[in-house]
Amino acid sequence: AQKITQTQPGMFVQEKEAVTLDCTYDTSDPSYGLFWYKQPSSGEMIFLIYQGSYDQQNATEGRYSLNFQKARKSANLVISASQLGDSAMYFCAMRPRGSNTGNQFYFGTGTSLTVIP
Amino acid sequence: DTGVSQNPRHKITKRGQNVTFRCDPISEHNRLYWYRQTLGQGPEFLTYFQNEAQLEKSRLLSDRFSAERPKGSFSTLEIQRTEQGDSAMYLCASSLVYEQYFGPGTRLTVT
Repeated sequence: AQKITQTQPGMFVQEKEAVTLDCTYDTSDPSYGLFWYKQPSSGEMIFLIYQGSYDQQNATEGRYSLNFQKARKSANLVISASQLGDSAMYFCAMRPRGSNTGNQFYFGTGTSLTVIP
Repeated sequence: DTGVSQNPRHKITKRGQNVTFRCDPISEHNRLYWYRQTLGQGPEFLTYFQNEAQLEKSRLLSDRFSAERPKGSFSTLEIQRTEQGDSAMYLCASSLVYEQYFGPGTRLTVT
């Protein structure tokens, strides 16, 4: 079964502090991609960061980094130096790449992040 | 790069009516996805196109839903005989390699 689990419905962080949003996944495919998206109140999903299952190093994009622990099947998002504009819903997603799983993306239920001034 | 666009942004319809949504992907992207998102949930996969071919459909997609992508450019999603349970945000995304880029969505309200 393919599944993404985000166990933190809501998180608060002080402005300029770092925050970690948790994500665990389940797949039997040896090859897969992991993604994080931000969804502000306006509703548009914004791509943040990507990690391939065979990538040796953790992905980084500006203030975003992905803490990939393959053995634990976790792909936590770390946001450094939080800004007020980071307040949004954050979704973790996975795309297995096995021959039987096709091209579906699987999303978690999201974490609502609030940055406090 | 104008991004993914979707029209209309909002649609209110009465139960039993048919509705059609349009998605214009990023021009060089050959992959196109439709999702449905309800309040408090992540997007749920509905269907996937590679160029003009519809390669996958979710089991969630009832016979009332149909999608097309003629000529491999824009795509339409039609819902026939709408039900109140169809009320949701319908998201379109396009992709070239790995990551997907989403449009702003069409919010459907069925009264």
